[in-house]
Amino acid sequence: KNEVEQSPQNLTAQEGEFITINCSYSVGISALHWLQQHPGGGIVSLFMLSSGKKKHGRLIATINIQEKHSSLHITASHPRDSAVYICAVRFTGTASKLTFGTGTRLQVTL
Amino acid sequence: EAGVTQFPSHSVIEKGQTVTLRCDPISGHDNLYWYRRVMGKEIKFLLHFVKESKQDESGMPNNRFLAERTGGTYSTLKVQPAELEDSGVYFCASSQETRKREQYFGPGTRLTVT
Repeated sequence: KNEVEQSPQNLTAQEGEFITINCSYSVGISALHWLQQHPGGGIVSLFMLSSGKKKHGRLIATINIQEKHSSLHITASHPRDSAVYICAVRFTGTASKLTFGTGTRLQVTL
Repeated sequence: EAGVTQFPSHSVIEKGQTVTLRCDPISGHDNLYWYRRVMGKEIKFLLHFVKESKQDESGMPNNRFLAERTGGTYSTLKVQPAELEDSGVYFCASSQETRKREQYFGPGTRLTVT
């Protein structure tokens, strides 16, 4: 069965902390997406990965294809980073259909 | 460049009624996707259009749901008749090229069936 698991489900951090959100998937993929949804807001695509590592500002996404695992890191976290972070994958052989994790709700406090 | 837009942002209907959701993709995006999140669950794929053709509709829950994309531009998703379990947030996304491009999501339509 094609599955995506995220951890943790909920995360509270203090401003300035380094944050890691994890995503594991069950079988081979052709791409993995990290998405962000602020409360009451739409979904924004942060990264699309098929290998290695990508960085954008304070956000870093890595993927290990052999271990079927990806991480999203936030450096120097800020309250405006508070949002739900969602991992979504395109399993091999499923064209462009995305399978989503349940999301990680991040709250960054002052 | 305008993003993906969805209308309405929120719809409240009674069980048995009909509702039509609309999605306008980014101009020039041939690929259009519908997704849904029901309360407490992960977002799930409903279907994928390439231009006006349904490429994959494996996620459509049942025949009460009908999606169309006439002319390969905007798309509609009709639910008829609506049931309580149809409540959730319906997202639309579009992309330029099936495999290589990221998907751009709309703000979603929150559907509440009472």
